[in-house]
Amino acid sequence: GENVEQHPSTLSVQEGDSAVIKCTYSDSASNYFPWYKQELGKGPQLIIDIRSNVGEKKDQRIAVTLNKTAKHFSLHITETQPEDSAVYFCAASPYSGGGADGLTFGKGTHLIIQP
Amino acid sequence: DGGITQSPKYLFRKEGQNVTLSCEQNLNHDAMYWYRQDPGQGLRLIYYSQIVNDFQKGDIAEGYSVSREKKESFPLTVTSAQKNPTAFYLCASSMFAQNTEAFFGQGTRLTVV
Repeated sequence: GENVEQHPSTLSVQEGDSAVIKCTYSDSASNYFPWYKQELGKGPQLIIDIRSNVGEKKDQRIAVTLNKTAKHFSLHITETQPEDSAVYFCAASPYSGGGADGLTFGKGTHLIIQP
Repeated sequence: DGGITQSPKYLFRKEGQNVTLSCEQNLNHDAMYWYRQDPGQGLRLIYYSQIVNDFQKGDIAEGYSVSREKKESFPLTVTSAQKNPTAFYLCASSMFAQNTEAFFGQGTRLTVV
């Protein structure tokens, strides 16, 4: 089955700086790569996703890049703000539509924004 | 408001007792899911249901049971057979099983003492 590795487990950055979280996956059949943000005591919320026919996708301050050859994808957050502090999960799925039953999650990155 | 509601937020049970976690959605979604989350771990799929009266085991179904008698409801029972039941449990739903984004509830933190 699929295995998703996520690094780092904790990331501390100064407010205003950029943050990068990286994930690798093992199954070449994976086609859908979402990123979720989870605030303390809440459920994860989808923040951005990318499908295998796209190399990069951007939405305001967040962007995701995908390298299918190397089987890795990354989340980039620019101009970080205190409200970006949360746990971020990457995931991979063989279903390009994004169904949750096919998702394999990374272990999460705790992002801390230092004022 | 449309959404997915889990209750209760916190739940305490004695070891050896079965306990049922509630999940209700009013999004008219066909598919519903239960995940378990442990500290420092990713989410692991327990059970999912693509349609009423049908459900499938996920990666860690042992010690759990579910039912899907209504489209909007997908309760999870943590049985006494579950060896390590203390965890954060998340319910999710999506329009269809494989083709649309999953929306998560706020979670239930179960502590077994």
